[in-house]
Amino acid sequence: DAGVTQSPTHLIKTRGQQVTLRCSPKSGHDTVSWYQQALGQGPQFIFQYYEEEERQRGNFPDRFSGHQYPNYSSELNVNALLLGDSALYLCASNPTRDRSYNEQFFGPGTRLTVL
Amino acid sequence: SQKIEQNSEALNIQEGKTATLTCNYTNYSPAYLQWYRQDPGRGPVFLLLIRENEKEKRKERLKVTFDTTLKQSLFHITASQPADSATYLCALDVGDTDKLIFGTGTRLQVFP
Repeated sequence: DAGVTQSPTHLIKTRGQQVTLRCSPKSGHDTVSWYQQALGQGPQFIFQYYEEEERQRGNFPDRFSGHQYPNYSSELNVNALLLGDSALYLCASNPTRDRSYNEQFFGPGTRLTVL
Repeated sequence: SQKIEQNSEALNIQEGKTATLTCNYTNYSPAYLQWYRQDPGRGPVFLLLIRENEKEKRKERLKVTFDTTLKQSLFHITASQPADSATYLCALDVGDTDKLIFGTGTRLQVFP
C-alpha cells in the first residue's frame, strides 16, 4: 500500500503565477482534505472533497480551488500567487464510508515557494 | 474566538523521563481529539484518538487524557527516547466530516 502520495515534492513560482498540486489518496479512501502549513505553524484546513464535490471549506479565498476525480485523486489549484502562499501543502485522506476511521492519513506534502 | 493552544514552543527533556504536552482549547465542543507526530519536512503521522466520553487512552509508551470540562488534553510519553524528538500536534474535529483544527504544535527534544 503506497499510502498518500503528492506531487511535486517542491515547487518554486513567482508572484501572480498559478500552481496545481496533486494528491493520490491511500487505497480504499474516498475523502481528500487539503491543508496549508506555514513555517512553525500547525496545518490549516483549506477544503475537503468527497464524491467529486467540495464538502467543506476553510477560511481561504477563492484563489484556492480544487477538484476530485472519479478515482478519488485530487488537485489543489492556487491562482494569482502571493508571497504569503509559500508553505507546505498537505493532502490527507480517510475512508468516509467507515466512520470508525476518524484519523487522517497525510501525504509528505508539497513545499511551495513563491518569490 | 476559537483557539487551540499547545504549551511552549519547545520542550527539552532528558532521555528516560516522561514528557507531558498540553493542548487547551476554547469555544469548541469536539467529539474527539487527536494527536499527531510531525518530523521536519514531512506530513503529520497519526498517533492516538480519544473521544469525548473517554478519560484516558494508552498505546505502548503513549498516554492521552481528555478533560472536556477543563477543555484540555494531556499527552504523555513515558521513558522518552531521542527518537521521540519531533513536533507533536493536537487536533480537534469540528463536525461530522472529519475537518480538523490543529494547534501550533510543541517541539519536543529528548537529549541523551
